[in-house]
Amino acid sequence: QQQVKQSPQSLIVQKGGISIINCAYENTAFDYFPWYQQFPGKGPALLIAIRPDVSEKKEGRFTISFNKSAKQFSLHIMDSQPGDSATYFCAADRGSTLGRLYFGRGTQLTVWP
Amino acid sequence: GAGVSQSPSNKVTEKGKDVELRCDPISGHTALYWYRQSLGQGLEFLIYFQGNSAPDKSGLPSDRFSAERTGGSVSTLTIQRTQQEDSAVYLCASSLGGHQETQYFGPGTRLLVL
Repeated sequence: QQQVKQSPQSLIVQKGGISIINCAYENTAFDYFPWYQQFPGKGPALLIAIRPDVSEKKEGRFTISFNKSAKQFSLHIMDSQPGDSATYFCAADRGSTLGRLYFGRGTQLTVWP
Repeated sequence: GAGVSQSPSNKVTEKGKDVELRCDPISGHTALYWYRQSLGQGLEFLIYFQGNSAPDKSGLPSDRFSAERTGGSVSTLTIQRTQQEDSAVYLCASSLGGHQETQYFGPGTRLLVL
């Protein structure tokens, strides 16, 4: 059973546009929500993360929006660039499992120049 | 500084053979994780080591899979009697330990079972 559901599976955006990736979860014990970025042939790397005590976190062009009541969170990439083309994974963590991450299935983002 | 390294980068094996995958974590990181990445399936947790505690093996898919971590550093994931469905990218990650710590991933080992 997939504990974190991610959509869309793939996304094509024009350069300068906004990319939006959505994730949803059921387990209310999750209390840490990181996003990872993966380029072909590389391992995932942490992009940005949020805790449920805030509704939004912004780092440069990347923003996480978090809706605790709906159990949803999303990644927004503003002014998308061709260099942002990668696979993005949302994940969730809960204290009882001491750092084990539950990942979504990933979104392959392509930004056209 | 050096990141997480994994070897081999690629491994092709025949069905039924045993394989060993190696992970060298970042120095000083007490936590080490193995994940499996199959096409379109995201990252699947396999096993987690934290310091001297007993590992969390709850993600291992069958008893053909085992892992050890020697001296709190290097880890080896062993798959016995490989099957075609074991073909995937095996990723190792390390962290300073525990909840909400950033996990740093290696480049992975791409395993193909013929």
